[in-house]
Amino acid sequence: EVQLVESGGGLVKPGGSLRLSCAASGFAFNHAWMTWIRQAPGKGLEWVGRVKSKTSGGAIDYAAPVKGRFTISRDDSKNTLYLQMSSLKTEDTAVYFCAWQAISHFNYWGPGTRVTVSS
Amino acid sequence: EIVLTQSPGTLSLSPGERATLSCRASQSVSSNYLAWYQHKPGQAPRLVIHDASSRATGIPDRFSGSGSGTDFTLTISRLEPEDFAVYYCQQFGSSPPLYTFGQGTKLEIK
Repeated sequence: EVQLVESGGGLVKPGGSLRLSCAASGFAFNHAWMTWIRQAPGKGLEWVGRVKSKTSGGAIDYAAPVKGRFTISRDDSKNTLYLQMSSLKTEDTAVYFCAWQAISHFNYWGPGTRVTVSS
Repeated sequence: EIVLTQSPGTLSLSPGERATLSCRASQSVSSNYLAWYQHKPGQAPRLVIHDASSRATGIPDRFSGSGSGTDFTLTISRLEPEDFAVYYCQQFGSSPPLYTFGQGTKLEIK
């Protein structure tokens, strides 16, 4: 059974940092392309960024609103995906989901972890 | 950037009825890379349809997707109580942002 479980969310002040983790099981994580997606309160879904598998070159792409502030990484030995968030803004407040993706869509998602950026 | 517009914003129907959800793109979606997701509060979103018309693993055949180019439709032939949720469409493109979502259609029990 595919399982994705996010953790690391919480309350952080504007300008602060936070690292989210996504523990994966039930599939070949080292061959998987992984993505982060967020949902701000009362809003729709917004793609944050993606990391390809190392066998596909390992390229990482980011959405414009987070580029330069967020860093996606992966540890295939731990089957874990990370999202390092820095210079956080109030508009980064959201539930953050990780997902195992195909090239064009997102096959399985985790239940999400909530991040609140507020003073 | 391709913008996806979903309609209606809210759809009120009864179990057993047919639901038709629309997703319109501002430009043609390449290779019909259009997906639909079901999202219930507090749960992980669930892939329903990918590549415009392919049902995801485990999705019942009352769900179907159609369309091409800029106009896509998700149809639920006979609504079951568990189908009431928010549905999002999503496209994949070659230019940033790589993936965009529609604003969602809330399917609620009438």
